[in-house]
Amino acid sequence: GAVVSQHPSRVICKSGTSVKIECRSLDFQATTMFWYRQFPKQSLMLMATSNEGSKATYEQGVEKDKFLINHASLTLSTLTVTSAHPEDSSFYICSAMGGQSSGNTIYFGEGSWLTVV
Amino acid sequence: DAKTTQPPSMDCAEGRAANLPCNHSTISGNEYVYWYRQIHSQGPQYIIHGLKNNETNEMASLIITEDRKSSTLILPHATLRDTAVYYCIVRRHGSGNTGKLIFGQGTTLQVKP
Repeated sequence: GAVVSQHPSRVICKSGTSVKIECRSLDFQATTMFWYRQFPKQSLMLMATSNEGSKATYEQGVEKDKFLINHASLTLSTLTVTSAHPEDSSFYICSAMGGQSSGNTIYFGEGSWLTVV
Repeated sequence: DAKTTQPPSMDCAEGRAANLPCNHSTISGNEYVYWYRQIHSQGPQYIIHGLKNNETNEMASLIITEDRKSSTLILPHATLRDTAVYYCIVRRHGSGNTGKLIFGQGTTLQVKP
């Protein structure tokens, strides 16, 4: 299957700082990427849909000014958690939608663990 | 997108077939059935998807009932590495309007030696 890579896989940051997570589609172009967060023992929660060259669409209850998403190219989307607080500590996962040749299948990255101290 | 119902947990003996059921009684005509799995602390892994015909790939088989209201994912020879949370998701396809994946609670499959 197609490969989606996230970086960093783990990050620790101080409360009040910002942290950026990158999501790359390595062997295909992705016009649409998705960002999820997952708390321990819970399912994945969709945060936003990112479309290349346009503004992200956020799910209800997700603060767009806190979780900045940029999808500047067909292979890269970034999620920036601004003014992070301990309650933002979570597992963040991105996914990318392959093109019609792959049946528009969505592939996931390995996830990024964020710990805010 | 239509909602799915899965049992919260299942056990399977190593080497035996694992049959994971999923109900999606409100599925509509342009919605596909997708299966993903998530091994602890990793991103979800795509397994298989289908519309109405049964599908098979190197990982699994997907059996969809004729009325499309339920489906079964079959892992033919389960191994310990198949222990994971399995998610059945209904996803809309359509010209210029392919839907996102909304995850439910899934089924935790425990493969036992």
